[in-house]
Amino acid sequence: GENVEQHPSTLSVQEGDSAVIKCTYSDSASNYFPWYKQELGKRPQLIIDIRSNVGEKKDQRIAVTLNKTAKHFSLHITETQPEDSAVYFCAATLSNSGYALNFGKGTSLLVTP
Amino acid sequence: NAGVTQTPKFQVLKTGQSMTLQCAQDMNHNSMYWYRQDPGMGLRLIYYSASEGTTDKGEVPNGYNVSRLNKREFSLRLESAAPSQTSVYFCATSLVGAEETQYFGPGTRLLVL
Repeated sequence: GENVEQHPSTLSVQEGDSAVIKCTYSDSASNYFPWYKQELGKRPQLIIDIRSNVGEKKDQRIAVTLNKTAKHFSLHITETQPEDSAVYFCAATLSNSGYALNFGKGTSLLVTP
Repeated sequence: NAGVTQTPKFQVLKTGQSMTLQCAQDMNHNSMYWYRQDPGMGLRLIYYSASEGTTDKGEVPNGYNVSRLNKREFSLRLESAAPSQTSVYFCATSLVGAEETQYFGPGTRLLVL
């Protein structure tokens, strides 16, 4: 099937530093790219998303960039805080499936005080 | 509004037993999805229902069946559970055509012995 590759699998940063997570996808028909945050034992929660007609989107400390030509998109978290510690998942829509999502395997982010 | 609800929250089965996982939503969404989450594997799509009356296979449908009972409810059935089906199961919903955001239920933890 179509794949979404996510890197790195683990990321440790100091409080106040920036964190970047990168994803690549293979389905050229994908047109919607959400990012989810999942805390331990909880459900995934959407933090930001981007559509294929936009190159960048920002929401306070979080930003996402999309390069459709290269088929990659990235999550940027600035001024990280300990409460940002969680697992982050990128996803891309599966073609011919409405808006079913193909997820990356996740990045475990640890922000140390 | 309850949003997306799932029952049960936790279940232990013996190999070969059957069970149905229930998902209901009061968000008036048209599309519903079932994912499974295993450590290090991200979320993988089992089945989805783009609209009431339709269901389609996802990435990992083997060993599962689904029923879109009505607009609100989408159930996942394991006819003969296997240890490989030990996982956390998430139901999600979205309003395709208006916004693509998928909202997740709290999950069902299933252990098959």
